[in-house]
Amino acid sequence: EAGVTQFPSHSVIEKGQTVTLRCDPISGHDNLYWYRRVMGKEIKFLLHFVKESKQDESGMPNNRFLAERTGGTYSTLKVQPAELEDSGVYFCASSKAGMNTEAFFGQGTRLTVV
Amino acid sequence: KNEVEQSPQNLTAQEGEFITINCSYSVGISALHWLQQHPGGGIVSLFMLSSGKKKHGRLIATINIQEKHSSLHITASHPRDSAVYICAVKNSNYQLIWGAGTKLIIKP
Repeated sequence: EAGVTQFPSHSVIEKGQTVTLRCDPISGHDNLYWYRRVMGKEIKFLLHFVKESKQDESGMPNNRFLAERTGGTYSTLKVQPAELEDSGVYFCASSKAGMNTEAFFGQGTRLTVV
Repeated sequence: KNEVEQSPQNLTAQEGEFITINCSYSVGISALHWLQQHPGGGIVSLFMLSSGKKKHGRLIATINIQEKHSSLHITASHPRDSAVYICAVKNSNYQLIWGAGTKLIIKP
């Protein structure tokens, strides 16, 4: 069974550009989470999808970030326009239906904004 | 003060030693996770627990809900156990709140 996959693994973009990160959850997992670690800080929650619906997006830092999960399968996280402080590692996780099911994590996307 | 505190931040030990990593939290939780992050960056879930104790191979995780404290133990440590170990708690909004991680190095 394939795990959670994220693409790209690394991205280097210039300030002001747009970047789209993709997460493919484990097939059949209703829950999909985005997290990020910015330099020197703890990993922080960004948002949570249940199928295609945003269950909780309280962790999204500002309106430059847009997450979608069309059809309830893969998810994208777009940053537009990117700022220097957006640099970090963005993790995706998925889990089966239910609120306390075990989460499986992707390898992360390392984003560097220069 | 962070809602999830881990100690120690860094730990270096010799192969074979018994390792303990501690996690204290200050919020109400529905579950606590121990996760492992290798230098390549990927995160692996080791345990999810809400009470008592769980064991998987050489890894043991315990939680004391009353004291809001959890420990991760590694018996007969091995260099391949070297990684960052992260404690994360699921709060009442079902968000994961993450600790800063403990960087473990096991020397042969």
